[in-house]
Amino acid sequence: DAGITQSPRYKITETGRQVTLMCHQTWSHSYMFWYRQDLGHGLRLIYYSAAADITDKGEVPDGYVVSRSKTENFPLTLESATRSQTSVYFCASRRTGEYNEQFFGPGTRLTVL
Amino acid sequence: QKEVEQNSGPLSVPEGAIASLNCTYSDRGSQSFFWYRQYSGKSPELIMSIYSNGDKEDGRFTAQLNKASQYVSLLIRDSQPSDSATYLCAPHSYNFNKFYFGSGTKLNVKP
Repeated sequence: DAGITQSPRYKITETGRQVTLMCHQTWSHSYMFWYRQDLGHGLRLIYYSAAADITDKGEVPDGYVVSRSKTENFPLTLESATRSQTSVYFCASRRTGEYNEQFFGPGTRLTVL
Repeated sequence: QKEVEQNSGPLSVPEGAIASLNCTYSDRGSQSFFWYRQYSGKSPELIMSIYSNGDKEDGRFTAQLNKASQYVSLLIRDSQPSDSATYLCAPHSYNFNKFYFGSGTKLNVKP
């Protein structure tokens, strides 16, 4: 099915471990984004990418790494997970041009123990 | 001043009534405006987009935009219990090429 998918949907890990969250979209949208959503903070942008091999920091990039070697994939890596990174992570992609609608993936609920 | 202001609610309306959700934004460079619906434990779902001043209707939903007043609203007619969710207002800034997301208004539609 066309759309945007994330994996895993749920993840429990321990402090200090490396974790990678995957995001895949089939629309060939140029822009892709990673957000985290926490109670009291709403959606906060972690990183975004305007195209393959082009990435940039958002509001809360510390502790995260991204890469984008292919247009359709945008993985997010927590190099050394901390408890403060317990959150729900949403990947999104966006059209470019006049009608620049942004669509979200189903989310990954990450718990860091 | 926050970039996007929404009443956090909860906004409670009876089934069949009109729910009115409001949003103000600070970036005058915002050109596109979106409303997302988010059910508890789910991801935001795009339900309306509006790009020019005035009203845009789609089924039971009407988005209203007034760029001079930096105000955008969403009306839900004939509200249903299934409309109970949090609604996020999201202007897109042309100047900064980014979305701003409001913290959302929680809507409860009572049967």
